[in-house]
Amino acid sequence: DTGVSQDPRHKITKRGQNVTFRCDPISEHNRLYWYRQTLGQGPEFLTYFQNEAQLEKSRLLSDRFSAERPKGSFSTLEIQRTEQGDSAMYLCASSSPDSLGSPLHFGNGTRLTVT
Amino acid sequence: EDKVVQSPLSLVVHEGDTVTLNCSYEVTNFRSLLWYKQEKKAPTFLFMLTSSGIEKKSGRLSSILDKKELFSILNITATQTGDSAVYLCAVSTSYGQNFVFGPGTRLSVLP
Repeated sequence: DTGVSQDPRHKITKRGQNVTFRCDPISEHNRLYWYRQTLGQGPEFLTYFQNEAQLEKSRLLSDRFSAERPKGSFSTLEIQRTEQGDSAMYLCASSSPDSLGSPLHFGNGTRLTVT
Repeated sequence: EDKVVQSPLSLVVHEGDTVTLNCSYEVTNFRSLLWYKQEKKAPTFLFMLTSSGIEKKSGRLSSILDKKELFSILNITATQTGDSAVYLCAVSTSYGQNFVFGPGTRLSVLP
């Protein structure tokens, strides 16, 4: 069990540029989540996959954000035309299927700074 | 709208003190309540609670859920400087497909 892996760890970009982050979940986990966390706040839900299907997306998520999980393994989160308000820690988490809801296992996150 | 509230938002204690952190929630289709500890990076899982009145315990940490009053507490006894972190409460809803997090309680333990 190598844990949830995220890449890159840090990303600095200029406003208006596109960025893409990658997440590799724990291998036997079929559920994958993206969260965003800003300073002093708890993680905010962005989107969720079960296998390759994107089952839920936050109403707060701008259409500049898109996520994919081809083949139900790793996932990518892309932000187009970045804005300074997108600066945050982007956390990926995975979990295994369980009737009561198994816990999320988080990666170390990608810290995005938009200048 | 689903909501998780934590109190206090910040707490400073000295080593050896006992602390109680609070989490209350208003969600539809409650499934479970989870506690996480976040130091500098990834939140790490502490407890998952699904039934009222059953205490979960791990070393100096313990937690209990009250589904009637819609809250949970996390107790830490004999605090150590290594307990300094943000403690996050999350509730899983809609058959575990989404997790709603509270803002966290920032605990600082002074030597």
